[in-house]
Amino acid sequence: EVQLVESGGGLVQPGGSLRLSCAASGFTFSAYWMTWVRQAPGKGLEWVANIKQDGSEKDSVDSVKGRFTISRDNAKNSLYLQMNTLRAEDTAIYYCARWVHGYSYSELENWYFDLWGRGTLVTVSS
Amino acid sequence: SSELTQDPAVSVALGQTVRIACQGDSLRNYYASWYQQKPGQAPVRVIYGENNRPSGIPDRFSGSTSGNTASLTITGAQAEDEADYYCYSRDSSGNHQGVFGGGTQLTIL
Repeated sequence: EVQLVESGGGLVQPGGSLRLSCAASGFTFSAYWMTWVRQAPGKGLEWVANIKQDGSEKDSVDSVKGRFTISRDNAKNSLYLQMNTLRAEDTAIYYCARWVHGYSYSELENWYFDLWGRGTLVTVSS
Repeated sequence: SSELTQDPAVSVALGQTVRIACQGDSLRNYYASWYQQKPGQAPVRVIYGENNRPSGIPDRFSGSTSGNTASLTITGAQAEDEADYYCYSRDSSGNHQGVFGGGTQLTIL
């Protein structure tokens, strides 16, 4: 079965660290860009970070730069998010998603998420 | 970085047609994709590219793009379509960032 399963969430104090994992199965993990998306309680979706197939390119939203690091291990079919210096505003459900560059018949590029995990909850509180 | 703007809430009578708009400069370079999210569930892709539906998404869902605005249209809205809808686009600033719209809460009357 093609799926993504996140783990590693939990309760952590402000200033603490947490490492999220996303286990991929049922597809060739190394062939895809991967992304982390989060959703604070009662709020909308927020793009967090993504990473190229071989890990050579990555980017993240400004609010987590210098604190969060996205990485992957293609041999283990796994995506990671190392979160340091956590703040209350980082409290959210964190989803991993597969990011696809699809075909386009026009000059517009076609990028989208075609597979999502169920998410893991991170709570930052004292 | 880019921004995508959506109306926070829209309502439609059962069986009628509703359009949910998403506006942003990045849409001049990248197609929007649309995600439906029901309470307690992960997002589900409903439209991507010019106007493509994943397998299992009813054909009452359609998408379009004009200039800096993308639209998701539900023709003959059903009770089960009540959900939050998010548009997404790659950021047009030349990096690999992405951006979601703030989401539209759709209510079926």
